[in-house]
Amino acid sequence: EVQLLESGGGLVQPGGSLRLSCAASGFTFGDSAMTWVRQAPGKGLEWVSTISVRGGNTFYADSVNGRFTVSRDYSKNTLYLQMNSLRAEDTAVYYCAKMTVRHFDYWGQGTLVTVSS
Amino acid sequence: DIQMTQSPSSVSASAGDRVTITCRASQGISSWLAWYQVKPGKAPKLLIYAASYLQSGVPSRFSGSGSGTDFTLTISSLQPEDFATYYCQQGNSFPYAFGQGTKLEIK
Repeated sequence: EVQLLESGGGLVQPGGSLRLSCAASGFTFGDSAMTWVRQAPGKGLEWVSTISVRGGNTFYADSVNGRFTVSRDYSKNTLYLQMNSLRAEDTAVYYCAKMTVRHFDYWGQGTLVTVSS
Repeated sequence: DIQMTQSPSSVSASAGDRVTITCRASQGISSWLAWYQVKPGKAPKLLIYAASYLQSGVPSRFSGSGSGTDFTLTISSLQPEDFATYYCQQGNSFPYAFGQGTKLEIK
C-alpha cells in the first residue's frame, strides 16, 4: 500500500524558514517523480514544486521560486521542501504527491504551515 | 503559462442526479488532463487521468472526456459520498496548474 506521510509543519514568523518532509513507502521511491501541492485556507489547490525521478530536474511555481527548494533522499525514501523567507501568503496545508506520467496518483494527508507573527 | 478555468464554481444536486463539470485550458494541452476529488481533512483523490482514463478503484459512474482545450467530468448518478470539491489539473507543461475548483453540494 502506497503511503506518504508529511511532517515538519507548524507556526513560523514571517521571514522565517521551515523544512517539510514526506516519508514514502509502499512503492519504489526511486522510480517516481514527486510533487508538492498546497491549499491555503478556503482556497483551491496550487501546484508548488516537482522533482524528477533522478532528482536532476526541479520545477517551481513563480510564487515560491527562489525561496523554496525541493530535494529527495533515496536512502531514506524521503522528499523534502525547504522553505525560506516565508510570507503570510504561504500559509497552507502542504501535500506531497507521487507522480505517474503527468498526474498525481497518490497523496499524503498534508501538513499545516502557518506564517504569522 | 497555461490557465485552467472550471465551471461552474459550485453546483447543487441531489443523489441520483447526473452532473457535468467543465474545464477549459487557455491553450491546447492534448490529453494531459486529470481530475481530483477533495474532501475536507482528507487526502485528495485521483479520479481520471489522461482526460478519460479511470483511476483504479474509482467507481464507473465517474467519466472524463475531451482533448485540446475543453474537457468534462461527468458523474452519472450521484451518490452521497460524491459531495465534495473537484479540481482539474493540466500536466502538459510546467508550471502545472489546477482549475479553481467546483464545489458539489447537496440540494
